Amino acid sequence: DAGVTQSPTHLIKTRGQQVTLRCSPKSGHDTVSWYQQALGQGPQFIFQYYEEEERQRGNFPDRFSGHQFPNYSSELNVNALLLGDSALYLCASSRPGQPQHFGDGTRLSIL
Amino acid sequence: QQQVKQSPQSLIVQKGGISIINCAYENTAFDYFPWYQQFPGKGPALLIAIRPDVSEKKEGRFTISFNKSAKQFSLHIMDSQPGDSATYFCAAKEGADGLTFGKGTHLIIQP
Repeated sequence: DAGVTQSPTHLIKTRGQQVTLRCSPKSGHDTVSWYQQALGQGPQFIFQYYEEEERQRGNFPDRFSGHQFPNYSSELNVNALLLGDSALYLCASSRPGQPQHFGDGTRLSIL
Repeated sequence: QQQVKQSPQSLIVQKGGISIINCAYENTAFDYFPWYQQFPGKGPALLIAIRPDVSEKKEGRFTISFNKSAKQFSLHIMDSQPGDSATYFCAAKEGADGLTFGKGTHLIIQP
């Protein structure tokens, strides 16, 4: 049974570019949450998707957007990349009321 | 505003000793308090979690102690082993919301 899978594992972009990160949830999970983890810090909640809609959003600008597909997989899009967007981006999946399971993340570096 | 404060930032414990990590929270609406373990290059993995209607939960060598009146909770790792060396994060959430994480504790178990 595959866990949460994220792609790509590493990505290098330049300032001003746009990026799309992808997440496949654990089998049987229908809720996907995205987190940003800066080096040496705890993960910070970006947003959560359930039934293809954004259910809750953390304190992130609207340069950060997402999507959830009918098969529950999800994408995180970041526009107009800034140096400060360099981080590990984590996807977590869950069923309602159940613990969140994390993938190993996408390491995004902005030059 | 940091809603979950974690201490210490780093901790060195001898093999066989007890590792103790503490967290304090501000939002009294939080109703779920998990602890995650993260190894370099990996995503956070759920260790143990507690809800505020109990004061202690034990799973193997890991115990959560919860003090609702003080708004504090802690993780105790008994008989600490070198394989326990990792970064530990406390977290909290309210209902179906996203997780709010502490800043993490880098734990080193010396052989």
